[in-house]
Amino acid sequence: ETGVTQSPTHLIKTRGQQVTLRCSSQSGHNTVSWYQQALGQGPQFIFQYYREEENGRGNFPPRFSGLQFPNYSSELNVNALELDDSALYLCASSYKGAVFGYTFGSGTRLTVV
Amino acid sequence: DQQVKQNSPSLSVQEGRISILNCDYTNSMFDYFLWYKKYPAEGPTFLISISSIKDKNEDGRFTVFLNKSAKHLSLHIVPSQPGDSAVYFCAARRSGAGNMLTFGGGTRLMVKP
Repeated sequence: ETGVTQSPTHLIKTRGQQVTLRCSSQSGHNTVSWYQQALGQGPQFIFQYYREEENGRGNFPPRFSGLQFPNYSSELNVNALELDDSALYLCASSYKGAVFGYTFGSGTRLTVV
Repeated sequence: DQQVKQNSPSLSVQEGRISILNCDYTNSMFDYFLWYKKYPAEGPTFLISISSIKDKNEDGRFTVFLNKSAKHLSLHIVPSQPGDSAVYFCAARRSGAGNMLTFGGGTRLMVKP
């Protein structure tokens, strides 16, 4: 049983650029959630995808968007990057969104300069 | 508005002693609480949970206590082991919000041999 894999592990972008982060769900999981963890803080919910549609969103602006593909893998896209977007981005997969079945990936560390 | 708070950023405990990690919340609509453990360069891993209708849940060395009237929960680790050294996050799920978790800021536990 494979876990959740995220790519890339580290990324440096310039303010104003766009970035795409990727996540492969654990086998058997059909829901993916994305969280942002700023330095010294806990993860904050960005959004969740189920059956390729957004199924819940946290307090993040529209320049944060996502996609879920038929194989349940997912992308997080951030447009017009700001310095405050620098954070660890965590992907979590689960079956039908059950929080108890959350399996987190190791995250992508994004640095915006 | 921080709905889940972990007021102690760090805790140091001697091996074999008890570790007590605390968490406070403000939203009465939370119906499940979870604790996650995070090692550096890894994603959070689920540790233990408790429903809002219970006041205690035990799993091996880990016990979570919930005091609804005080909106407070705590995680007890007995006996503490050096391998328990990690960042611990308290998280809560709001009834009706399905799959979104609200996390506290984390407590770094250091267990000294």
